[in-house]
Amino acid sequence: DTGVSQDPRHKITKRGQNVTFRCDPISEHNRLYWYRQTLGQGPEFLTYFQNEAQLEKSRLLSDRFSAERPKGSFSTLEIQRTEQGDSAMYLCASSRPPVSVIETQYFGPGTRLLVL
Amino acid sequence: AQSVTQLDSQVPVFEEAPVELRCNYSSSVSVYLFWYVQYPNQGLQLLLKYLSGSTLVESINGFEAEFNKSQTSFHLRKPSVHISDTAEYFCAVSDQGAQKLVFGQGTRLTINP
Repeated sequence: DTGVSQDPRHKITKRGQNVTFRCDPISEHNRLYWYRQTLGQGPEFLTYFQNEAQLEKSRLLSDRFSAERPKGSFSTLEIQRTEQGDSAMYLCASSRPPVSVIETQYFGPGTRLLVL
Repeated sequence: AQSVTQLDSQVPVFEEAPVELRCNYSSSVSVYLFWYVQYPNQGLQLLLKYLSGSTLVESINGFEAEFNKSQTSFHLRKPSVHISDTAEYFCAVSDQGAQKLVFGQGTRLTINP
């Protein structure tokens, strides 16, 4: 059983460029989450999907951010016109269909973004 | 809105000493509580969780946490730490009915020999 995978692991870009990150959840996990973690802080929720439907978006997710999960499997997170403040670790997590009140979220290793 | 406060950003202890990592939360509704651990150069892993029932929950590696509703706390304890416990520990809360996790700022546990 492979865990959550994220690609790339590291990304360096110049301000104003667009970047896209990919997350592959654990097989048969129908929920997928994106979080952002800046240095010295805990992860902050960005958005989550149930299958291909995006069910919740944080106010942190500005218009420059877009997330998709077109076939209910992998997901992509795109940041347009990157800014230095976007520099952070972007974490993906997945969970299986709930059989109890809440299911454990399993996290990937993250994509570290540095905007110069 | 929910929030989580981890009162200590860093906790240095000697090996085999006891440790307590403090976590307080605020929420207007009933919650689920979690502790996640992040070992150096690794992703977040669930350590333990409180959903309902007994207020004392335990992990497989000797950690335990107690849910205290009146104090709105979920402190993490271990009676005797090992070098391998060196990591960053995050407390998190989720509203019942919600799915997203709200994390604290993290506590870096450093074990000295």
